[in-house]
Amino acid sequence: QQQVKQSPQSLIVQKGGISIINCAYENTAFDYFPWYQQFPGKGPALLIAIRPDVSEKKEGRFTISFNKSAKQFSLHIMDSQPGDSATYFCAASSVNSGGSNYKLTFGKGTLLTVNP
Amino acid sequence: DAGVIQSPRHEVTEMGQEVTLRCKPISGHNSLFWYRQTMMRGLELLIYFNNNVPIDDSGMPEDRFSAKMPNASFSTLKIQPSEPRDSAVYFCASSFQGWEGYTFGSGTRLTVV
Repeated sequence: QQQVKQSPQSLIVQKGGISIINCAYENTAFDYFPWYQQFPGKGPALLIAIRPDVSEKKEGRFTISFNKSAKQFSLHIMDSQPGDSATYFCAASSVNSGGSNYKLTFGKGTLLTVNP
Repeated sequence: DAGVIQSPRHEVTEMGQEVTLRCKPISGHNSLFWYRQTMMRGLELLIYFNNNVPIDDSGMPEDRFSAKMPNASFSTLKIQPSEPRDSAVYFCASSFQGWEGYTFGSGTRLTVV
């Protein structure tokens, strides 16, 4: 069962454009929603994250929009640059029964290409 | 801090051989996660430890896979015997208390021929 569905699978954007990647989740127990960025040959790196008590979080050119009722969240990259070309993963997690651990479930990733 | 260190970076082995992947988490982190990444299945959580104790191994594909964490600074993922379908990139990640901000290693690319 795929608990986090991510789209599109790939995305091509011109330099300066807006990149938008969407994710939907099913488990209402999820309470932490990070985005990870992965460059070839590297491990994923945390980019930005949001909790469901806010509808939007912005860090520089990166913004997460969160819709709790629709169980959807998205990543917006403003003024996209060629250096943003990477694979982006959304993820979601919840606390385990012991109350102290977060176990991340990842979407399948979006390969973003920003053309110069 | 050197980050999460994984070794080897690349491993090519023949079917049926034993493979051991190694991970050194960030000092002070007490949660450790093993993920497998393939094109078809994306990033899959195999197992995670908290304070060196395995908490959830439901993602381990079968008995051929085993993981240990003998102390806070070292973990291994072993595949015995290996099969071609085990070919993937295996990532180790660590965090404090499993909280936000997992730090991933650079991964081990395993090829089983």
